[in-house]
Amino acid sequence: AQSVTQPDIHITVSEGASLELRCNYSYGATPYLFWYVQSPGQGLQLLLKYFSGDTLVQGIKGFEAEFKRSQSSFNLRKPSVHWSDAAEYFCAVGEMTSGTYKYIFGTGTRLKVLA
Amino acid sequence: EPEVTQTPSHQVTQMGQEVILRCVPISNHLYFYWYRQILGQKVEFLVSFYNNEISEKSEIFDDQFSVERPDGSNFTLKIRSTKLEDSAMYFCASTPDAISEQFFGPGTRLTVL
Repeated sequence: AQSVTQPDIHITVSEGASLELRCNYSYGATPYLFWYVQSPGQGLQLLLKYFSGDTLVQGIKGFEAEFKRSQSSFNLRKPSVHWSDAAEYFCAVGEMTSGTYKYIFGTGTRLKVLA
Repeated sequence: EPEVTQTPSHQVTQMGQEVILRCVPISNHLYFYWYRQILGQKVEFLVSFYNNEISEKSEIFDDQFSVERPDGSNFTLKIRSTKLEDSAMYFCASTPDAISEQFFGPGTRLTVL
């Protein structure tokens, strides 16, 4: 079965510091990979996605992620974190099934930003 | 920008009662999904729906659950007899085609007492 692992449950960084959130996946074929962000009490907002092509993908809010097939990873990065980035971040892989994709999510990483 | 909407935002019900969670997908989207997130846990796939029928359902989606597209705009999730363990945030999502990214609604928080 496909799976997504986010090894860090909580991460705390200071405002202005760089950020990297880790994501490892298990998938037999070329994966469709996503990062979503969930602010408290809110829904899931797509930050970025990787379908194919350039392995470094740019997203909204200054985030980027790099797909590394050899490491089965899709880590999310941001060079300078803002206080408003405090939220929970979910990595997901799209698994093709019955003609469409279902998403398999990781357990999430909760980001805390110190002023 | 078009978005997926869900109503109600919060539903409280007694165990054993039926609930219907409503979603309005983005208007030109053809594929619809329900996911749920139990408090503190990861988001889990429940069901996908296309062309008025279920494409795929998870083990969670047992006979107590059903989905329907009653008209051209709504997509509903019904739980016939709620259990305490059904308490969760339920997210609806939609896509215009089979491979585009899924757009999620804000969720309905279901509390079963």
